[in-house]
Amino acid sequence: GDSVTQMEGPVTLSEEAFLTINCTYTATGYPSLFWYVQYPGEGLQLLLKATKADDKGSNKGFEATYRKETTSFHLEKGSVQVSDSAVYFCALYDYGQNFVFGPGTRLSVLP
Amino acid sequence: EAQVTQNPRYLITVTGKKLTVTCSQNMNHEYMSWYRQDPGLGLRQIYYSMNVEVTDKGDVPEGYKVSRKEKRNFPLILESPSPNQTSLYFCASSYSPRDEQFFGPGTRLTVL
Repeated sequence: GDSVTQMEGPVTLSEEAFLTINCTYTATGYPSLFWYVQYPGEGLQLLLKATKADDKGSNKGFEATYRKETTSFHLEKGSVQVSDSAVYFCALYDYGQNFVFGPGTRLSVLP
Repeated sequence: EAQVTQNPRYLITVTGKKLTVTCSQNMNHEYMSWYRQDPGLGLRQIYYSMNVEVTDKGDVPEGYKVSRKEKRNFPLILESPSPNQTSLYFCASSYSPRDEQFFGPGTRLTVL
């Protein structure tokens, strides 16, 4: 079945550092790809998404590009803030299949 | 305010005692879903519903039941809870699975 693999955390960065969280996927069809974020004690919120190859999703300074050739959807941000500390989940939906989340990557940003 | 509500938020129960976790959304969404979140495993889909009276199994449906009699409600039923169902549960809704899912605040369940 479909699956999502994310880099293991936790990731600890200093404020204003560059962030990359790797995500790769396995799917039989043409999935939509998502990044969700979970702040402490809350439910998940959509951060960005992409629905087809070469699409770039972006929001709040975060970006991710749908790379079909490498089956990847890596999350990047040029300058992280303390308020970005959260757990980040890569996810996919393939038509007719279950919705699949990766295991999550915890990010801690230090002032 | 557009939202997904879940009740209860916290529940401690004993093995075998039937329980229901309610989920309601006010956004007229067709797609609703239940997930459980466990450390190191991310979120795993339990059941989902594409519309009223249409439900389907997710990746981990064993020990759970759902129903979708009305568009806004999607209760999760544990007929005979066991300790391995101790987890954090989230309900979510969206217009379709390719659209943004809105999540409830979560229900932390402990089965003793």
